[in-house]
Formats: sequence, structure tokens, C-alpha cells
Amino acid sequence: GAVVSQHPSRVICKSGTSVKIECRSLDFQATTMFWYRQFPKKSLMLMATSNEGSKATYEQGVEKDKFLINHASLTLSTLTVTSAHPEDSSFYICSASTLKQSYEQYFGPGTRLTVT
Amino acid sequence: GQQLNQSPQSMFIQEGEDVSMNCTSSSIFNTWLWYKQEPGEGPVLLIALYKAGELTSNGRLTAQFGITRKDSFLNISASIPSDVGIYFCAGPPSSGGSNYKLTFGKGTLLTVNP
Repeated sequence: GAVVSQHPSRVICKSGTSVKIECRSLDFQATTMFWYRQFPKKSLMLMATSNEGSKATYEQGVEKDKFLINHASLTLSTLTVTSAHPEDSSFYICSASTLKQSYEQYFGPGTRLTVT
Repeated sequence: GQQLNQSPQSMFIQEGEDVSMNCTSSSIFNTWLWYKQEPGEGPVLLIALYKAGELTSNGRLTAQFGITRKDSFLNISASIPSDVGIYFCAGPPSSGGSNYKLTFGKGTLLTVNP
């Protein structure tokens, strides 16, 4: 149980374009989903927290207009990187938690974004 | 912000050896989580601890919630090559609010030589 998928696993895009990453909880309803960014050999950096049906809460320093988050249902959240630049290249990972086990986050396999 | 300090930063061990790593905080935690991340993958939850003094096992892994509530330990017995990865501790920051977000340590990189 507690399986989270992400799509795509890898994406290469040109500078200036937008990229959408999907995060799905496959066998449970996720009351909260989280989006992280991870640089090579570094820890996970929380970008934002999203609850179904409400606006995402962004961490300090994360541009909400650049990283658009939509949590349309209890099983799907999307992260759109708008007007991507090479410095946005990174490993993006989502996670999901349920109300019952609220601190336990279950992570997706991550999306490697490369902006050329 | 609240920080979790993990040590050691990296470990190089021989297959069959036992491993011990820890995580400390300057403030009290009510929950400790241990994750393992393999290259190019998302972290996988290994063990969750909710009570001071709690000792929980998951196969060859054992984790303990420190009595002071400011630390936690993860032990791996009889290591095997597939134990390779980065081990992260995590817990809710004191300002966690209602969103149950986590603070992560910087990780311990484990390398197991066959």
C-alpha cells in the first residue's frame, strides 16, 4: 500500500517553455501532497504543501508564480514549472500523506528535469 | 530554521558488518522518521517512531526514539550490498502547523563493499 507515482520520470525542455509534472497516489486518498526539490548529493528541500481543493502553501523563497501547484483531487497534484530556465534543472519529488498517518509521507520516484 | 544533524555523513563498510547512524536536534521532536533513498529514486519510508524510548524493527533495521526526544538512532545489522543508499532522518518542525510537513537531515551515505 501507499504507492505514489510521478510522471514523467525524466523530461528535457527548452529554456522558456513550461513543464508539468504529475503526482498521483495510487492506492490511497492523499489529504496533503508535498513537492520537494533535490540537488545532487543534497537533502530534500520542501517547496510547497498542497491540500486538495485549496491553494498551495509555499515555502519562503519559492516563487509561486513560477512553480504552479494544483491539487485537483485527493489522488492528483501537479507541479508546473513555468518559463523554465537552466537553473530550474533539478530532481523534483512529490510525496503524499493521509489524515490517519499524517506525518508519514510516501514519496514518488521523482522527476529529473533538464532545461537546455 | 530547525535543523537535524545526521552523523556520520558517509560510511564505507564491508558486507556483513553492522551499521549505526544517528540524528540529533537542538529541539524536541514528537516524531522521528527514517527514510532510505537510492540513486535516482524517491525516498522510501523505513521506520516511523512516535514515542520517546520506542524501539522499532523492520527486518535487519532497528530504530530508536531517544529518551531526551532530541535524537534518534538507526542500526542495520549484517549489511548487504543492497543496503547502499542515503539514509535520511526526518521529523516535524516545531512550527509544523496543520500541514504536517517534515524537516529532513542531510543524510548519511552508506556504501557497502561486497
